[in-house]
Amino acid sequence: EFQLVESGGGLIQPGGSLRLSCAASGFTVRSDYMNWVRQAPGKGLEWVSVLYNSGTTYYADSVTGRFTISRDNSKNTVYLQMNNLRADDTAVYYCARARQLVYGMDVWGQGTTVTVS
Amino acid sequence: DIQMTQSPSSLSASVGDRVTVTCRASQIISTYLNWYQHKPGEAPKLLIFAADTLQSGVPPRFSGGGSGTDFTLTINSLQPEDFATYYCQQSYSAPLTFGGGTRVEIK
Repeated sequence: EFQLVESGGGLIQPGGSLRLSCAASGFTVRSDYMNWVRQAPGKGLEWVSVLYNSGTTYYADSVTGRFTISRDNSKNTVYLQMNNLRADDTAVYYCARARQLVYGMDVWGQGTTVTVS
Repeated sequence: DIQMTQSPSSLSASVGDRVTVTCRASQIISTYLNWYQHKPGEAPKLLIFAADTLQSGVPPRFSGGGSGTDFTLTINSLQPEDFATYYCQQSYSAPLTFGGGTRVEIK
């Protein structure tokens, strides 16, 4: 069974940093396209970042220069390093896997909540 | 960046109704279009990928169509468990943008 488990969320002051983790099981993160997606309170889904199996990364304009996605193949875990956090980064953050981007994000974690206040 | 526009933003429907949600891309994205269902407190669920391919395990009352810039998600014979918010998402090019969502409510 494919599974993703996020951790690392919490309450942080504006300007602070936080690192989210996404531990995978049933597949290897280095083989797939790993995404972070967030949902702010009362808002819709917002794509945040993707890490290709090649190592290429992309970010939403709203987080470029502040967030960094990475992975540790030995731990089969993906990370989202979030710096200079703002109130509008408050959201539930989901990790999601796509085998190929054309196949969509078919495995999702349960989410971890980040509150910037 | 590619902008995704969904309509309507919300709708009310009854069990058994046929519901259609539309999604428009700001530029041609071929069939790089996915649909998700999201319920409060749960993780989003992939329903359809590549515009019209049903994800494994998704009931066949869900269907998708379209190409280029205009896409549709149709739910035939709406069931109680289908009341949720639906999102389109383009996977043509990063940033991989979502539509604003369509909330399907019980009439």
